[in-house]
Amino acid sequence: TQLLEQSPQFLSIQEGENLTVYCNSSSVFSSLQWYRQEPGEGPVLLVTVVTGGEVKKLKRLTFQFGDARKDSSLHITAAQPGDTGLYLCAGAGGSWGKFQFGAGTQVVVTP
Amino acid sequence: EAGVAQSPRYKIIEKRQSVAFWCNPISGHATLYWYQQILGQGPKLLIQFQNNGVVDDSQLPKDRFSAERLKGVDSTLKIQPAKLEDSAVYLCASSLEGTPSPLHFGNGTRLTVT
Repeated sequence: TQLLEQSPQFLSIQEGENLTVYCNSSSVFSSLQWYRQEPGEGPVLLVTVVTGGEVKKLKRLTFQFGDARKDSSLHITAAQPGDTGLYLCAGAGGSWGKFQFGAGTQVVVTP
Repeated sequence: EAGVAQSPRYKIIEKRQSVAFWCNPISGHATLYWYQQILGQGPKLLIQFQNNGVVDDSQLPKDRFSAERLKGVDSTLKIQPAKLEDSAVYLCASSLEGTPSPLHFGNGTRLTVT
């Protein structure tokens, strides 16, 4: 059972378009991380958010942590084929008290 | 710095056989994790070590899975006997002590049980 719900499960867009993926839970996170995983490799950290309402930008990626620290979003502007991958959120804390991952959103960006 | 090393890269076994995976974390990382990632799902935490002590193994199927981290460095994960549903990628990750330190993952071992 995944305690973190990610949506959508799959997203296919063309180069230059924007996209947003979501991570939600009924529990409060002490911190949340976003990772990207490419086929045959382990996940690689993109960002860590800790404070409710926090917004972090990493080039064309914008990460937002909800005020109540129960949800987060990742927005990609002008997506490129290199953005293709499985985007995973991982939450620490909450009722389960450990680091858990969501099921991920598979993003495919076609030229 | 060298990344997290895992071996083997791939393993195919028959059900009821045993298998072992090895992980060498990043030097100086006190915390080591083993995750199971089934196709189409996110990684599921199996066990977390702090140095050579177990912090969390609540999701480890202890009737068939075992793990150890000798001297607080390398770690091995063993499955005996394997079942068909154990087919997955087994990921090892390490981090500096404390949350929210980032997890550094190896490339995993892909296990196929036939």
